Amino acid sequence: DAKTTQPPSMDCAEGRAANLPCNHSTISGNEYVYWYRQIHSQGPQYIIHGLKNNETNEMASLIITEDRKSSTLILPHATLRDTAVYYCIVRVRGKLIFGQGTELSVKP
Amino acid sequence: GAGVSQTPSNKVTEKGKYVELRCDPISGHTALYWYRQSLGQGPEFLIYFQGTGAADDSGLPNDRFFAVRPEGSVSTLKIQRTERGDSAVYLCASSFGGRTDGYTFGSGTRLTVV
Repeated sequence: DAKTTQPPSMDCAEGRAANLPCNHSTISGNEYVYWYRQIHSQGPQYIIHGLKNNETNEMASLIITEDRKSSTLILPHATLRDTAVYYCIVRVRGKLIFGQGTELSVKP
Repeated sequence: GAGVSQTPSNKVTEKGKYVELRCDPISGHTALYWYRQSLGQGPEFLIYFQGTGAADDSGLPNDRFFAVRPEGSVSTLKIQRTERGDSAVYLCASSFGGRTDGYTFGSGTRLTVV
């Protein structure tokens, strides 16, 4: 079973930051948090991952709380092309176990 | 190749028939994963290979499902006696196999059992 909980849907205005929350209260000390997104009819696309420190790349930032029980994915300037389902995943024994994800709609 | 390639992109088969789905991973990727995704759901793990061997096949739903990767590159997912409930998108992913390496997914094969 997935070890993460996410809201089923969110809206964001184009050009604004999208902040997607995720709870993973049962995460173990050596388990990484991954974020993927899936645009309709495509395979999931890797965004970012982290263990305990905040991470940033060209796509997004990942903020992990100090107790590691939750995290937030930040898309700093959302565009219409960021409309997708976003999955927060805890990697368990080498496998990515997906939950239901958050359907993000970016609106003009 | 540049990405993970899955063939065919669409497959329609009759109930009870046998099907094979193919995955060509990224060159040099030692780990390969199969997932199944039903409409409105997240991808469901089926099996993963490290090299030629199945490192974890705990997600295969029953013995009608089988996967091979004989030379450590291309993999084939085989489904015997297909049922309508097998209809889904079957996704393949590959990675370098390190503990934290991200996966690269293919676009999937949409299987429809009629």
